[in-house]
Amino acid sequence: EVQLLEAGGGLAQPGGSLRLSCAASGFTFSSYAMSWVRQAPGKGLEWVSIISGGGDRTYYADSVKGRFTISRDNFQNTLYLQMNSLRAEDTAIYSCARVQNCGGACPEDYWGQGTLVAVSS
Amino acid sequence: EIVLTQSPGTLSLSPGERATLSCRASQSVSSYLAWYQQKAGQAPRLLIYGASSRATGIPDRFSGSGSGTDFTLTISRLEPEDFAVYYCQQYGSSPRTFGQGTKVEIK
Repeated sequence: EVQLLEAGGGLAQPGGSLRLSCAASGFTFSSYAMSWVRQAPGKGLEWVSIISGGGDRTYYADSVKGRFTISRDNFQNTLYLQMNSLRAEDTAIYSCARVQNCGGACPEDYWGQGTLVAVSS
Repeated sequence: EIVLTQSPGTLSLSPGERATLSCRASQSVSSYLAWYQQKAGQAPRLLIYGASSRATGIPDRFSGSGSGTDFTLTISRLEPEDFAVYYCQQYGSSPRTFGQGTKVEIK
């Protein structure tokens, strides 16, 4: 059974930093690209970032480019999101998601429950 | 960035009725279009990928169609558990983007 468990959320001040983690199990982690997606309270889904299975390719939403860094540890089966220069508008539930192996570009097929990040002074 | 516009914002229907949800892209996404269902307090669930392929375990009352810029998710006969918010997503180009969602509510 695919399981994704996020951790590391909490309250941060504007301009501060947080590091999120996502522990994966139930599949061969290194064989799958992984994404981070966020959802502000009461709002829709916003894609944040994606990393290839080997960790050599990363992409970001314009809203977080230059501030957030996605990475992974394929030995520990863990995905990370380093968030710097946090802003109030970064307040959201952050979820990690596995990218399906469908040949070519594929959507996210399994999602964690998420961890809440609140940015406020 | 490709903008996805979903319509309607809210769909009020009764169980057993047919639901038709629309997703329009600001430029062609080919068939790199997925549909997700999200219930309150739950993670999104992948329903459709490649515009028309059902994900594993998804009932055949869910179907997707379209290509290029215009896509449709159809629920042939609404079951009580289908009342939820539905999002489309394009994943063919970076950044990936989602539509703003369509809420399917009980009439």
